[in-house]
Amino acid sequence: EVQLVESGGGLVQPGRSLRLSCTASGFTFGDYAMSWFRQAPGKGLEWVGFIRSKAYGGTTEYAASVKGRFTISRDDSKSIAYLQMNSLKTEDTAVYYCTRAIGVVPAAGADYWGQGTLVTVSS
Amino acid sequence: QSALTQPASVSGSPGQSITISCTGTSSDVGGYNYVSWYQQHPGKAPKLMIYEVSNRPSGVSNRFSGSKSGNTASLTISGLQAEDEADYYCSSYTSSSTDVVFGGGTKLTVL
Repeated sequence: EVQLVESGGGLVQPGRSLRLSCTASGFTFGDYAMSWFRQAPGKGLEWVGFIRSKAYGGTTEYAASVKGRFTISRDDSKSIAYLQMNSLKTEDTAVYYCTRAIGVVPAAGADYWGQGTLVTVSS
Repeated sequence: QSALTQPASVSGSPGQSITISCTGTSSDVGGYNYVSWYQQHPGKAPKLMIYEVSNRPSGVSNRFSGSKSGNTASLTISGLQAEDEADYYCSSYTSSSTDVVFGGGTKLTVL
């Protein structure tokens, strides 16, 4: 059974950093690209970023709203994807979801989702 | 304001069919076959229902189907069931600065 478990969320002050982790199981993690999405309280879904598998160079893509502040990485030996969030803003407050991507481009879709972890940016 | 336009709400009775539209432009929905649909129940993570316009992931009921005409994609649910009541979001590739854009979501009520 495919499982994705996010961790690392919490309350953080504006301007500070936070790193989310996504621990995967039930599939060969290294064979898949991974995406992060977020959902602000009471709002819709927003794509955050994407990392390809090593077979496709392990390259990353980011939404304009987080580019330059957020970094996605992966450790295939541990089956973990990371979302490093720097210079956090109040508008980054959201539930962050880790997902398994269907294809090699971000928009191809995400077929498995974690339960989400809440990040609250507030002073 | 979301990049893709969805109706805020739709409703239908059990057994009926409904269609949710997702309207974009030639820079997103109309230009590429990367349209996905997600179902989200309150307090739960989204679930992929349709990818690449009309493909159903394994395990998704064949009551759910997707299509596209011009700049508008559609999700049709036939034989409505009570458990279909949820929020539905469309997404698409976009050639703008952000690779993936979403619609604002549609709340489906099963009467």
